[in-house]
Amino acid sequence: DAGVTQSPTHLIKTRGQQVTLRCSPKSGHDTVSWYQQALGQGPQFIFQYYEEEERQRGNFPDRFSGHQFPNYSSELNVNALLLGDSALYLCASSWDQETQYFGPGTRLLVL
Amino acid sequence: GQSLEQPSEVTAVEGAIVQINCTYQTSGFYGLSWYQQHDGGAPTFLSYNALDGLEETGRFSSFLSRSDSYGYLLLQELQMKDSASYFCAVRAPSGGYQKVTFGIGTKLQVIP
Repeated sequence: DAGVTQSPTHLIKTRGQQVTLRCSPKSGHDTVSWYQQALGQGPQFIFQYYEEEERQRGNFPDRFSGHQFPNYSSELNVNALLLGDSALYLCASSWDQETQYFGPGTRLLVL
Repeated sequence: GQSLEQPSEVTAVEGAIVQINCTYQTSGFYGLSWYQQHDGGAPTFLSYNALDGLEETGRFSSFLSRSDSYGYLLLQELQMKDSASYFCAVRAPSGGYQKVTFGIGTKLQVIP
């Protein structure tokens, strides 16, 4: 049984560019949450998707958007990248709102 | 909103016992989770407490007191591989659903 997978593992972008990160949830999970983790900090909640809808959102600007597909996989899009967007982006999946299991993350560097 | 407090760093000796505390403030509460994260890795789920008391899983135990808004993670028979960051995370109601908020993490260093 594959766990949560994310792609790519690493990414380098320049300011102003756009990026798309991908996540496949653990088998049997229908809910995907995205987190941003800056160095030395805890994961910060970005948003959560369930049944292809954004169910709730953290304190992140509209530059951060997402999508969930019928197979429960999800994408995180960030537009107009800023230097401060450099972080580890984590995807976590769960069955509805039960315990979350994290993927390995995508490390984004914005230059 | 939710806020959590946990120590930023703890050092302990191999073979010893260490306790990592977490206090939280939330409007509403469902439960407290603990995650382990090694440098460069992803958070790994360790435990979840919804009710008061102690939950034991091998060398790790987690405790919750809802009345005190307090919990702790207890690691016994410490091994060098336990050196990692440990996050407490509170699950609380948010807009009709549940939201998980993480603390800043406690960096545990196990020394020989």
